[in-house]
Amino acid sequence: KAGVTQTPRYLIKTRGQQVTLSCSPISGHRSVSWYQQTPGQGLQFLFEYFSETQRNKGNFPGRFSGRQFSNSRSEMNVSTLELGDSALYLCASSSDQGQLYPEQYFGPGTRLTVT
Amino acid sequence: AQSVTQPDIHITVSEGASLELRCNYSYGATPYLFWYVQSPGQGLQLLLKYFSGDTLVQGIKGFEAEFKRSQSSFNLRKPSVHWSDAAEYFCAVGARGGGADGLTFGKGTHLIIQP
Repeated sequence: KAGVTQTPRYLIKTRGQQVTLSCSPISGHRSVSWYQQTPGQGLQFLFEYFSETQRNKGNFPGRFSGRQFSNSRSEMNVSTLELGDSALYLCASSSDQGQLYPEQYFGPGTRLTVT
Repeated sequence: AQSVTQPDIHITVSEGASLELRCNYSYGATPYLFWYVQSPGQGLQLLLKYFSGDTLVQGIKGFEAEFKRSQSSFNLRKPSVHWSDAAEYFCAVGARGGGADGLTFGKGTHLIIQP
């Protein structure tokens, strides 16, 4: 079974631009979560989508948004990029079929650099 | 809100020696606890998890962890490390129900293996 894939793997953007990152979950997984990883703040939860609905959200400004499609693929968008948005963005998928806590499988991440 | 503390930013261990990585958590209810490993340029791989029951859990790659409720700890151990164990290790706690449902991670411990 193929793992979680994220595209692109690397991205360079200019301050003020917007960016869209894509995540394809493991086949059959309906939950997709996004995390931001920076040297200073570490790994922080952005949001989670389940069956095309945002189910949970972390403490990030409204510039960070996402969506999920009917095939469970997810995109996250960052508008009006700031230098501090430079980070590794990780996507994780899980099956979430009534387990105590669904195991999350992580993709390799998208490295975003804002100049 | 839950939190995770990994007191050691860096740990250096000789190949073949034993390893213990510390993790302390703060959470009001029974926590769901995880250890992940991240190699350079890679996503996160789940090593092991604790939900309930036996407080000593076995994971992949020869790792184990012990849950101690009285100490709010979930330390990761390995009896004999290999050079391939050099990586970043993250402890995480998951909370079910209400608010952000994503994983809360510690800042990580960078493991260096000496030949």
